[in-house]
Formats: sequence, structure tokens, C-alpha cells
Amino acid sequence: AAGVIQSPRHLIKEKRETATLKCYPIPRHDTVYWYQQGPGQDPQFLISFYEKMQSDKGSIPDRFSAQQFSDYHSELNMSSLELGDSALYFCASSLRSSTDTQYFGPGTRLTVL
Amino acid sequence: KQEVTQIPAALSVPEGENLVLNCSFTDSAIYNLQWFRQDPGKGLTSLLLIQSSQREQTSGRLNASLDKSSGRSTLYIAASQPGDSATYLCAVGGSGGYQKVTFGTGTKLQVIP
Repeated sequence: AAGVIQSPRHLIKEKRETATLKCYPIPRHDTVYWYQQGPGQDPQFLISFYEKMQSDKGSIPDRFSAQQFSDYHSELNMSSLELGDSALYFCASSLRSSTDTQYFGPGTRLTVL
Repeated sequence: KQEVTQIPAALSVPEGENLVLNCSFTDSAIYNLQWFRQDPGKGLTSLLLIQSSQREQTSGRLNASLDKSSGRSTLYIAASQPGDSATYLCAVGGSGGYQKVTFGTGTKLQVIP
């Protein structure tokens, strides 16, 4: 079965640079969620989208923005990167009308030097 | 705001021992509860999913229970093996099914050969 795809899997950036992470949900899933997991921490919710509209917002910095496109894939844009942004970024998807749960992607590991 | 706590934070057991990991949550209005395994620096592997209407789920040597009214879940691992060494995360899905997942603080398990 198709799973959530995230790209790239690894990304290295310098401070103050910009990064874009991509998430491709499971086919037919209409909701996408982004989570950030810092070193030694549990994943923290950043933001979610349903039918291309932001549906919920967590502790996402103002330097970050995200959107969901017409094909339901989502991109997380991170500007003015800081050392503290180094983390594992997970994307998850779900079908809102379903009783099913969120399915998580493999994550993108971002390292800011 | 949902808060999820896992006890103990770390656990070291000899191979073959049966063990129980605990998860507690503050808001009982949950949609589901999921247990994940995470190896160091790796992604999330879903182990068991319990819907809010269910009391337990079993998969192989794993058994997870859910008591919504008391805000507790346990993950029972039978006959532990060194390959079970990992961090185990409990994740609670908010009411409605499309809301964000709140992760617990994790239990780091080490099974000693």
C-alpha cells in the first residue's frame, strides 16, 4: 500500500538560509499534518491543512509557512534558519471522513550548520 | 490542552522479561490512541492503534489497553528481546479524528541480552 512520502529525506543548510520540505499524502487523503521532533524530544505539532485550507495551528514559528496544493501535497517553507531548527520533520496524512488514523511519513532530517 | 505523560522515562530489563509501559493523558475526549516505536535517529513505526471505542489491541507479543475514563493506556511486551530496544511513544488523537496528535514524552527501553 502507498505510504506518505517526504522529500528530501536529509537536508543540510546554513544559518539564515531557506529550506522547503515536501510531503505527498496517501492517495485520497485530504488532510496533512506537520510535526517537528527536536533532538531527544517528542514530536510537536506544527500545522495542519484540510482541503487546502489551514485547519489547525500549533507551535509553528513565524519564520515558517506551509500550504497544501490542489493535488493535496504540502510544502513547509522555513526561512532565516536557526541552529535550533535542526530536527526531524514528520508529515502525516489522513482522510477526514474516515475513522482511520493519521499515517506518518519517514521524516525529513534537517541539519542547520 | 491535552498533555500526555509516559512512565517510566527509561527502562532497562534482561532479555525474556515481560514488561509494561504506561501512558496517561489529561483529556479523555480522545479519538484514538496509538503506540509507536522509534529507533535512534529514525522515523516512527506504528505498533498498535486503539480506537476510542475499543479496550485493547494485540499484535504478536504486544498488547495495548485503553481506559479512557481514567486517561490511561498500557503497552505490554511479552518475552522481551534485544531487538525491542527503542523508544516507545504513546500518541493521542484529538476528538473528531482530524485533529492533531499529541505525543507522550516517550519511554526509552533497553533489553539486555
